[in-house]
Formats: sequence, structure tokens, C-alpha cells
Amino acid sequence: EVQLVESGGNLVQPGRSLRLSCAGSGFTFEDYAMHWVRQVPGKGLECVSGISWNSGIIGYADSVKGRFIISRDNAKNSVYLQMNSLRPEDTALYYCAKGDSSSPRDAFDFWGRGTMVTVSS
Amino acid sequence: QSVLTQPPSVSGAPGQRVTISCTGSSSNIGEGYDVHWYQQLPGSAPKLLIFGNKNRPSGVPDRFSGSRSVTSASLAITGLQAEDEADYYCQSYDRSLSASIFGGGTKLTVL
Repeated sequence: EVQLVESGGNLVQPGRSLRLSCAGSGFTFEDYAMHWVRQVPGKGLECVSGISWNSGIIGYADSVKGRFIISRDNAKNSVYLQMNSLRPEDTALYYCAKGDSSSPRDAFDFWGRGTMVTVSS
Repeated sequence: QSVLTQPPSVSGAPGQRVTISCTGSSSNIGEGYDVHWYQQLPGSAPKLLIFGNKNRPSGVPDRFSGSRSVTSASLAITGLQAEDEADYYCQSYDRSLSASIFGGGTKLTVL
């Protein structure tokens, strides 16, 4: 059974940093792209970042470009999101999602339950 | 404002058919990138409903179907059921943004 478990969400002050982690199991992690998607409660979904199986292709939403960094460790079956210079508008539930192929351009076939990030003074 | 445009809401009575549109542009759907659809039930994570424009993952009823034209796509739901009441999102990839994108979402109400 595919499982994705996010961690690292917290309350943080504007301008500070936070690192999210997502541990995958139940599939061959190194074969698939991985993604971070966020959702402000009551609002729509936003693709934050995606990374291909070998980290060769990485993409970011314009809203986080230059502030967030996605990375993965296939040996640990994990994907990370380093969030720097956080802003109040980054407050959201952050989902980790598994791609259905090695490319970050395809669908997201499994999702975690999310980890909440709140940016507030 | 989302790069992919969906109607904010649609509704239908049980047993009826509804469609949800997703309009893109030449840098995403029109560029040839596939469209995928997700269902998000209240309080839950999104679930993949349609991938590759028209394909259903295992376990998704055939009441759900997808189609795509030049710069747009549609999700059709036939035989509407109360349990279909949810938010629906389309997703594709945008060449100009070099990133995946979602539509703004459509709330389906079963009357």
C-alpha cells in the first residue's frame, strides 16, 4: 500500500525558515517524480514544486521561486521542501504527492494527508 | 487567478449528467500536455480521478469520464450520486511556467 507521510509543519514567524519532509513507502520511491502541493483552508490547490526521479528536472510556482528548495534522498525514500523567507501568504496545508511517472509533468496518483504551515507573528 | 479556468460551481439532481470544463492556453493544454482530474471530498486529500485526459485509475467508477480538445478539457459525471458532492480540480503542465498547474476548482452540488 502506498503511503506518504508529511512532517515538519509548524507555526513560524514571517521571514523565518522551515523544512518539510515526506516519507514514502509501498512503492519504488526512486522511480517516481514527487511533488509538494499546498492549499489554503477553504481555497484551491496550488502546485508548489515538483522534482523528477533523479532530481534532473525541478519546477517551482512563481510564488515561491527563489525562496523554496525541493530536494529528495532516494536512499531514504524521502522528499523535502526547504522554505525560506516565509510570508503570511505561505500559510497553508502542504501535501506531498507522488507522480505517476518519473517525470514531474504527469499526474499525481497518491497524496499524503498534509502538514499545516502557519506563518504569523 | 489560475492559469487553467474552471467554473466555480456546478449542480445537478441525482441521476443527472454534469460536465466541468477546464480551459487552458497554448502553453499548457494547447502545447499537448495531458490533463488530469482530481476529486476532493470535504476534509480529505485530493484523489486522482482521471489521468492522461481520459483514463480512469483502478476503482474509479465509469460514471466519470474525461475528454480533451485543443486548449480545453472536460470532466463528465453521469448518474449523479449524493457521494459525488465534492470539489473537482483539473491539472496540467505549463511550458512557460515550467511547472504543473491546477485549475481554480469547481464545487459540485448534488441537489
